[in-house]
Amino acid sequence: GNSVTQMEGPVTLSEEAFLTINCTYTATGYPSLFWYVQYPGEGLQLLLKATKADDKGSNKGFEATYRKETTSFHLEKGSVQVSDSAVYFCALSEVQGAQKLVFGQGTRLTINP
Amino acid sequence: GAGVSQSPSNKVTEKGKDVELRCDPISGHTALYWYRQSLGQGLEFLIYFQGNSAPDKSGLPSDRFSAERTGGSVSTLTIQRTQQEDSAVYLCASSSRRGNNSPLHFGNGTRLTVT
Repeated sequence: GNSVTQMEGPVTLSEEAFLTINCTYTATGYPSLFWYVQYPGEGLQLLLKATKADDKGSNKGFEATYRKETTSFHLEKGSVQVSDSAVYFCALSEVQGAQKLVFGQGTRLTINP
Repeated sequence: GAGVSQSPSNKVTEKGKDVELRCDPISGHTALYWYRQSLGQGLEFLIYFQGNSAPDKSGLPSDRFSAERTGGSVSTLTIQRTQQEDSAVYLCASSSRRGNNSPLHFGNGTRLTVT
């Protein structure tokens, strides 16, 4: 079946460091890909998405490019802030027309000042 | 505006008891999803409601789990004869329409502990 594998955490960085969280997927069709974020004490929220190959999703300085040839959707940010500390989930949507998301295991990111 | 509201926020129950978890989606959202987040399994899809269509129950782990959505709005997830492995955070999400262009809005979840 479809699956998502993401970089294991926890990840700890200093403020202004470069961030990469790796995500690879296995899917039979052409899924849409997502990054969700869960800030402390808050619900999951969509960070960015890409719906087809070579699309780049971006939001709040984060970017991820849908790479079909490497089945990857790595999350990057050039300069992280303390407020980026959260748990990040990579996910794919199996079915067009419904968001039955398959999630990765999550990566806890801590940014130190 | 109001987001997705779930109640209770925490629930502790004894093994074998039934529990009901409630979700109030964002007003006007036609799609409603239940997921659960547990240490052993991560985030898993449970069930999906879209408008008046029959729900997609393909993620429910056993026949002890059921859900309904009354009047196209509020949803209740019921777990009968709870087991310790049911302990998890149960998340509800809604979206304004079908398709991947409409983001899911998640509630803060109900943390269920079965003792």
